[in-house]
Amino acid sequence: DGGITQSPKYLFRKEGQNVTLSCEQNLNHDAMYWYRQDPGQGLRLIYYSQIVNDFQKGDIAEGYSVSREKKESFPLTVTSAQKNPTAFYLCASSPRYNEQFFGPGTRLTVL
Amino acid sequence: AQSVTQPDIHITVSEGASLELRCNYSYGATPYLFWYVQSPGQGLQLLLKYFSGDTLVQGIKGFEAEFKRSQSSFNLRKPSVHWSDAAEYFCAVGTNYGGSQGNLIFGKGTKLSVKP
Repeated sequence: DGGITQSPKYLFRKEGQNVTLSCEQNLNHDAMYWYRQDPGQGLRLIYYSQIVNDFQKGDIAEGYSVSREKKESFPLTVTSAQKNPTAFYLCASSPRYNEQFFGPGTRLTVL
Repeated sequence: AQSVTQPDIHITVSEGASLELRCNYSYGATPYLFWYVQSPGQGLQLLLKYFSGDTLVQGIKGFEAEFKRSQSSFNLRKPSVHWSDAAEYFCAVGTNYGGSQGNLIFGKGTKLSVKP
C-alpha cells in the first residue's frame, strides 16, 4: 500500500535530550513537510523540502533540524534548544504544487 | 500576507441536520483551496479541493464546498450530518507562486460535535 508512515506514534523525551521523528513515504512525491499541531492553533509549518538534498525553514523552525538525503525520507530532530516541544507532529508529502497527504502523526511529550 | 480564518471554533449540530462550516481566506491571486478532516489523534484526510473551474466542488463523504471569489470564502457543506462526521475540520489555502509554491496555510480549525 502507498502511503506515509511516521514513527514512533508516541515519544517521550527528557529535558535536554534530542529526539528524532521518522517520516517515510512511498508515494514518489517530491515535496515533504513537517508541521506542529497544538490545541486551538491549527497546523504550523516547521520545515519543508521540495527536492532531495534541499530544505527550507518554515514559520517555526527554531529548535528543530531536518535532513533530506533520500526522496522517501524526511526525519525531524527536535533539539534541546526547542523550549516547548510537547505537541503533535505531522508529516506530509505532495506531488509538487498539489494537495498534501498526511501521515498518522507522532505525539511527543517532554517529561 | 496570506491567511485563512475559520470563524467558528466549535459547532454542535444534531444528527441528520445540515451543516455549513465557514472559511475565509486572504490571498492576492487565484487560490488553491482545500478542506481536510482530522479525527482525534490521527492525521489529516483530504475532503475536497478547488483549483479552478466549477466553483461548486464535490468531495468525499457527501461533502461539498463553494468557492465565492467576491466574498473570499470557501464554505464546506453537508446536507445531512452523521454521527461519524464528528471531527475537526481544517480549511487551507495553497500558495501557487514563488519559492514556497505548494505550501499550505491552514486555518485554526472548527471542531464539529454531533448530537444524537
